Amino acid sequence: KQEVTQIPAALSVPEGENLVLNCSFTDSAIYNLQWFRQDPGKGLTSLLLIQSSQREQTSGRLNASLDKSSGRSTLYIAASQPGDSATYLCAVRNTDKLIFGTGTRLQVFP
Amino acid sequence: DTAVSQTPKYLVTQMGNDKSIKCEQNLGHDTMYWYKQDSKKFLKIMFSYNNKELIINETVPNRFSPKSPDKAHLNLHINSLELGDSAVYFCASSQWTSGGETQYFGPGTRLLVL
Repeated sequence: KQEVTQIPAALSVPEGENLVLNCSFTDSAIYNLQWFRQDPGKGLTSLLLIQSSQREQTSGRLNASLDKSSGRSTLYIAASQPGDSATYLCAVRNTDKLIFGTGTRLQVFP
Repeated sequence: DTAVSQTPKYLVTQMGNDKSIKCEQNLGHDTMYWYKQDSKKFLKIMFSYNNKELIINETVPNRFSPKSPDKAHLNLHINSLELGDSAVYFCASSQWTSGGETQYFGPGTRLLVL
């Protein structure tokens, strides 16, 4: 049974810092891995999608890496801003469904 | 021009009542989902429909009955509501492309059962 864990559960940093959020999964037989952002009281917004054959994806200040064999992904956020404050969720796709991690709640203060 | 919309946004009701949540997507996607996010913010899939056909049913009590009248709509009816049904329910839709499958989520319906 696939289990997805995210560390840390919460993170509070000053503006401008570079951040690394971690995601680990127990079953390496995945189709892809996705990082989402969830703002308080809102739905989820997809940030990056990494196919199982890929090692990383980049979008602006965000870079996500995938090491399928070790069951790990990281989301790197460069030069963090207060607007980055949100909960970040990773999700892995096993066959027909997404399995979500526990989330990292990020607060970036000015 | 909302991609995935849900109604209502908030729902407060008494135990034992029956309620429905509606979801519509205007993205032309083939697949739609219902997820439940509990008080600890853990998000878990409940159902998935592809072209109006049920694909995934994740050991959800049969008090929950999804209905897809057409490809753009997926509604969720809940009978005999219980306290433990209080959660945020998210609808999502997706389409497979050469780049993979990205899911688009609605804003959520916050259900509180008293």
